[in-house]
Amino acid sequence: DGGITQSPKYLFRKEGQNVTLSCEQNLNHDAMYWYRQDPGQGLRLIYYSQIVNDFQKGDIAEGYSVSREKKESFPLTVTSAQKNPTAFYLCASSIRVGEQYFGPGTRLTVT
Amino acid sequence: EDQVTQSPEALRLQEGESSSLNCSYTVSGLRGLFWYRQDPGKGPEFLFTLYSAGEEKEKERLKATLTKKESFLHITAPKPEDSATYLCAVQFYGGATNKLIFGTGTLLAVQP
Repeated sequence: DGGITQSPKYLFRKEGQNVTLSCEQNLNHDAMYWYRQDPGQGLRLIYYSQIVNDFQKGDIAEGYSVSREKKESFPLTVTSAQKNPTAFYLCASSIRVGEQYFGPGTRLTVT
Repeated sequence: EDQVTQSPEALRLQEGESSSLNCSYTVSGLRGLFWYRQDPGKGPEFLFTLYSAGEEKEKERLKATLTKKESFLHITAPKPEDSATYLCAVQFYGGATNKLIFGTGTLLAVQP
């Protein structure tokens, strides 16, 4: 089955630690995205990539980093510089910008 | 500033009670408007694409329409399984066209 996977579903970290969230897709999509979702707020774009070895900052990139070494994979690192990292993180991929396929999400809790 | 606003924030309906959700936008040029459904604790699921005023799309009990300033998601005779958060997103001409701006969503609860 084609789809997009994120792991783990729940992640707990201590403040000051970097953490990497996984995102893999087998839909053969060129574009991939990372969003953050907080209660009462819309999805906010962190980073996006339209092609392998290229990515652009979204609206809230500070404190995050990404890589795109393979078409299938777009991992997100939440660094210790991110001031409020506790959130629900969503990865998506697409052929057309508006029709994005989302993964199940990773809920990150930093204490 | 380009903005997307959804209303109401929450809506409670009885099964079979039809209603509409609103998505209004202020943009310099609309390239496309998109509706998604999100169940609790899951990623959004794509529903519809609308490109021009007057366009309509339907899927089961849902119908999406578009005007020059807003879009409506009409829900006809809803069932409890239609309960979810419905998100609207827009893509604009100019600036970063390879991204979407999402509204905050409407939380729909359909009671049996």
